[in-house]
Amino acid sequence: GQQLNQSPQSMFIQEGEDVSMNCTSSSIFNTWLWYKQDPGEGPVLLIALYKAGELTSNGRLTAQFGITRKDSFLNISASIPSDVGIYFCAGRKGGSEKLVFGKGTKLTVNP
Amino acid sequence: DVKVTQSSRYLVKRTGEKVFLECVQDMDHENMFWYRQDPGLGLRLIYFSYDVKMKEKGDIPEGYSVSREKKERFSLILESASTNQTSMYLCASSFRTSGYNEQFFGPGTRLTVL
Repeated sequence: GQQLNQSPQSMFIQEGEDVSMNCTSSSIFNTWLWYKQDPGEGPVLLIALYKAGELTSNGRLTAQFGITRKDSFLNISASIPSDVGIYFCAGRKGGSEKLVFGKGTKLTVNP
Repeated sequence: DVKVTQSSRYLVKRTGEKVFLECVQDMDHENMFWYRQDPGLGLRLIYFSYDVKMKEKGDIPEGYSVSREKKERFSLILESASTNQTSMYLCASSFRTSGYNEQFFGPGTRLTVL
């Protein structure tokens, strides 16, 4: 099945730094979702985006739905140790109930 | 809060055994999904159900079957478990709408087949 191009694959940062990751596709999506997965747990929904150009925040997290509808990015500001985990993007095409996922960005935060 | 629960967090089975993984959601969602997650391969859809007794194959249905007798419950069945089915299995659910149908995931079942 199709997968989204998510980058970077991994990031090693110092506590307090800002983080940016993105997802791109050759196809248009109607919905972009960002999830976080802690080790051994299921993904937890962080942010949902429904309109091209939409910018949405959830605490220190900010995500944007690209204007072309083919990409999205997630920013984390002032990272803390509990931000450690794998971040996934997911997109939903019009008329589909299924999601297409990126392979994830593994974030490590050094205290 | 949406709650998706899975019957076991960890499961160890032997090759050839029949394995049942159960998923229950409490949000009256129409859609339910089963994924497996493997390092380097990401999340892959096994089966999807959009209504009671309805099912649709995902990307990797071989070796699996599903059952949805009640709206809140979706079962994944490994008819004869094999070692290559050792994986993390994730269940998810969502509303069936044209708009706001985010998928919510359960905690996962780590299955080991010996």
